[in-house]
Amino acid sequence: AQSVTQLDSHVSVSEGTPVLLRCNYSSSYSPSLFWYVQHPNKGLQLLLKYTSAATLVKGINGFEAEFKKSETSFHLTKPSAHMSDAAEYFCALAGGTSYGKLTFGQGTILTVHP
Amino acid sequence: GAVVSQHPSRVICKSGTSVKIECRSLDFQATTMFWYRQFPKQSLMLMATSNEGSKATYEQGVEKDKFLINHASLTLSTLTVTSAHPEDSSFYICSARDRAYNSPLHFGNGTRLTVT
Repeated sequence: AQSVTQLDSHVSVSEGTPVLLRCNYSSSYSPSLFWYVQHPNKGLQLLLKYTSAATLVKGINGFEAEFKKSETSFHLTKPSAHMSDAAEYFCALAGGTSYGKLTFGQGTILTVHP
Repeated sequence: GAVVSQHPSRVICKSGTSVKIECRSLDFQATTMFWYRQFPKQSLMLMATSNEGSKATYEQGVEKDKFLINHASLTLSTLTVTSAHPEDSSFYICSARDRAYNSPLHFGNGTRLTVT
């Protein structure tokens, strides 16, 4: 069985400070891991993905994530938060042969204060 | 970049009626599309996998007779919520994958269904 756990339901930061959104996973397969962002009443936009290449993955809008197999983690970071980063973020896992069937974490709402 | 168009974005219907949601891949061919449901303040749950030219594969606990999926072409999948009830009110999101190997998933903007 596969699962994704996002450790924080809400994260609040000040503009210009670092962002850390935590994600742990469990998978019987070599996982492909993704981070998506969702703005209110919108679909999901892919930020970045890990698919067994480099463990440090750079994405759009200055986000990056590091795959740590020993810790079964794939935390999302950004050095400096921007107001436009306020949204909900989902970590997702695809495993085995079914690349399109994603298992999503519970989501983390990021609030950015001026 | 690849775009998935989902229509309508919002729909309000009366209990007992049926609602059809369309998901189109605009600049790529998608042999497989996925339908997700998202309840308020919850994550996305996969409902079914839509395969072009064949029957959809439903996840455990999803009623296939209630959520009818049709994937008649490589660019269009439809989800019909039949005899809708208030508990079906949710945010429905489709995603599609280019038939090219190892391509990423692209998501539609979702449909907010409210059943009164």
